[in-house]
Amino acid sequence: AQSVTQLGSHVSVSEGALVLLRCNYSSSVPPYLFWYVQYPNQGLQLLLKYTSAATLVKGINGFEAEFKKSETSFHLTKPSAHMSDAAEYFCAVSAKGTSYGKLTFGQGTILTVHP
Amino acid sequence: DADVTQTPRNRITKTGKRIMLECSQTKGHDRMYWYRQDPGLGLRLIYYSFDVKDINKGEISDGYSVSRQAQAKFSLSLESAIPNQTALYFCATSDQTAVGQPQHFGDGTRLSIL
Repeated sequence: AQSVTQLGSHVSVSEGALVLLRCNYSSSVPPYLFWYVQYPNQGLQLLLKYTSAATLVKGINGFEAEFKKSETSFHLTKPSAHMSDAAEYFCAVSAKGTSYGKLTFGQGTILTVHP
Repeated sequence: DADVTQTPRNRITKTGKRIMLECSQTKGHDRMYWYRQDPGLGLRLIYYSFDVKDINKGEISDGYSVSRQAQAKFSLSLESAIPNQTALYFCATSDQTAVGQPQHFGDGTRLSIL
């Protein structure tokens, strides 16, 4: 069975600082990987996805993530945080070979950005 | 207009009541999903449906039932609501024509059971 662990339920950064949100997965084969963002009172919005093409994936709003098979990780980064980045972020995996694209989500990381 | 619409957006009800949450989509996707979100637990899958005739239990289906009335509509029911079903509920859809497709989410229904 696959699982996802997001290290740190809360991350706080200053505006302009590097954002690093950690995600590790457990799967028998490298899965499909996703990062979603949830703003207050909204649903989840796709930030980026990894589907076995380039290991460095660029997403919306200046975010990117790097797939590292040896570390079973898919950490999300942004060079310079903006106040508008404050939200909750979810890492999710979908096993390859399944027919229904079921997602398994991490516990979420709340990002706070200080002025 | 939103691609995935959930109604109602908020609901407060009492223990023992039957509740239906509705989801409709205009994306033309065959696959639909219901999740609940609880603080610190992420999203957990309740039920999912590949098409109108194919409905499957997720990891936390006890106390819930679903109905896929049409390709575009997928409803979640709580037969006899209890307080620990208080949560934020999301409907999602995905395209089955290619692997690795993301899911698209509605804005959620915040359900409180007193």
